[in-house]
Amino acid sequence: QKEVEQDPGPLSVPEGAIVSLNCTYSNSAFQYFMWYRQYSRKGPELLMYTYSSGNKEDGRFTAQVDKSSKYISLFIRDSQPSDSATYLCAMKVGGNNRLAFGKGNQVVVIP
Amino acid sequence: GAVVSQHPSRVICKSGTSVKIECRSLDFQATTMFWYRQFPKQSLMLMATSNEGSKATYEQGVEKDKFLINHASLTLSTLTVTSAHPEDSSFYICSALPGGPSGNEQFFGPGTRLTVL
Repeated sequence: QKEVEQDPGPLSVPEGAIVSLNCTYSNSAFQYFMWYRQYSRKGPELLMYTYSSGNKEDGRFTAQVDKSSKYISLFIRDSQPSDSATYLCAMKVGGNNRLAFGKGNQVVVIP
Repeated sequence: GAVVSQHPSRVICKSGTSVKIECRSLDFQATTMFWYRQFPKQSLMLMATSNEGSKATYEQGVEKDKFLINHASLTLSTLTVTSAHPEDSSFYICSALPGGPSGNEQFFGPGTRLTVL
């Protein structure tokens, strides 16, 4: 079983829709959970950073972590064409800087 | 925000040649830098962790003699792909970790696309 599972299937949504992405993981020691956005042929940029369980909201973006289920989610409200990118989840153990990434979801927001 | 640059952004080389990729932290000092490889529609795979002034730590399955890493200063790490082959063609991305107590976030470079003919 891979450390981090993220269904890489592409996702197309109309502008204004809610985008819902998720990852599951197997390592219960993970404490820090991140979502990165990667535009085509560019490096990833940090979007959301969450410690332990709970919700975090930043503008149109909401990250949720459920450690009991080993499941994390990212929601994008009122999606815009500029949100079209690949979204990668990542996580790490406290005190260790090694990041474990999911495969990424390609999101296309159609005007 | 912190900026990490990579050079070159794209390189095409012949099989058997060596290619050097530079990763620089432009506005902060990075005690640790990471090198990743990303194949099309795949995740980032950590290749090695580079600490300034010491030998790099390679992930299992990554040949240290083929992927030479040098972290000579707090702002520069280099990855040299030696005797490159077509299967080494990939997108190579570095990230840098600022030192100090707030150094939890890795900042990623824009990546280098390597094509080996």
